[in-house]
Amino acid sequence: QQQVKQSPQSLIVQKGGISIINCAYENTAFDYFPWYQQFPGKGPALLIAIRPDVSEKKEGRFTISFNKSAKQFSLHIMDSQPGDSATYFCAASRGGATNKLIFGTGTLLAVQP
Amino acid sequence: GAVVSQHPSWVICKSGTSVKIECRSLDFQATTMFWYRQFPKQSLMLMATSNEGSKATYEQGVEKDKFLINHASLTLSTLTVTSAHPEDSSFYICSARWGQGFSNQPQHFGDGTRLSIL
Repeated sequence: QQQVKQSPQSLIVQKGGISIINCAYENTAFDYFPWYQQFPGKGPALLIAIRPDVSEKKEGRFTISFNKSAKQFSLHIMDSQPGDSATYFCAASRGGATNKLIFGTGTLLAVQP
Repeated sequence: GAVVSQHPSWVICKSGTSVKIECRSLDFQATTMFWYRQFPKQSLMLMATSNEGSKATYEQGVEKDKFLINHASLTLSTLTVTSAHPEDSSFYICSARWGQGFSNQPQHFGDGTRLSIL
């Protein structure tokens, strides 16, 4: 119940295309769902986060879609750029951002020029 | 804002030695710090949570005598890997957040420490 399942494991997208990464969870007590971006040899950086009372949140080219009934959420990267090539992790926690994060398995995104 | 610094970024040492990794919050007071371990091409696994001035809470399966955590101030937490062995080689990452209770404050991550035990 503590797991967060993430797919796909890897993704290749052409420059300008849309990258879509999906995550699913079981624990309905989770109430905070962030996405992190990690470059090789670096720590993860917070991209965008959403709470279950909102179905969608957009920040620049990044959008989170949240489906509470299906217990799924996804990250959409619009107009993908080669600089977006990185590993993306979804995560979930309960008790808001204060509590420990359960990370998904990660998606390696490659944006081809 | 919200910068977390880790030191060293990379360390190589012989088997049997102890290694200390520092995690500092540079522009905020970190009431809570988290330590993660990440193996190549894998996800982040939480090792322990530390609150300033109190003992760390370790995740199941993490040896507290092996991985000593000290959160002595609101800006510094240290992780000491005692009697390190090759299987302890990994990427260790800390994160920090401020605020008490349900504060809506996210975790901010350091850039990690690559530990290689020969």
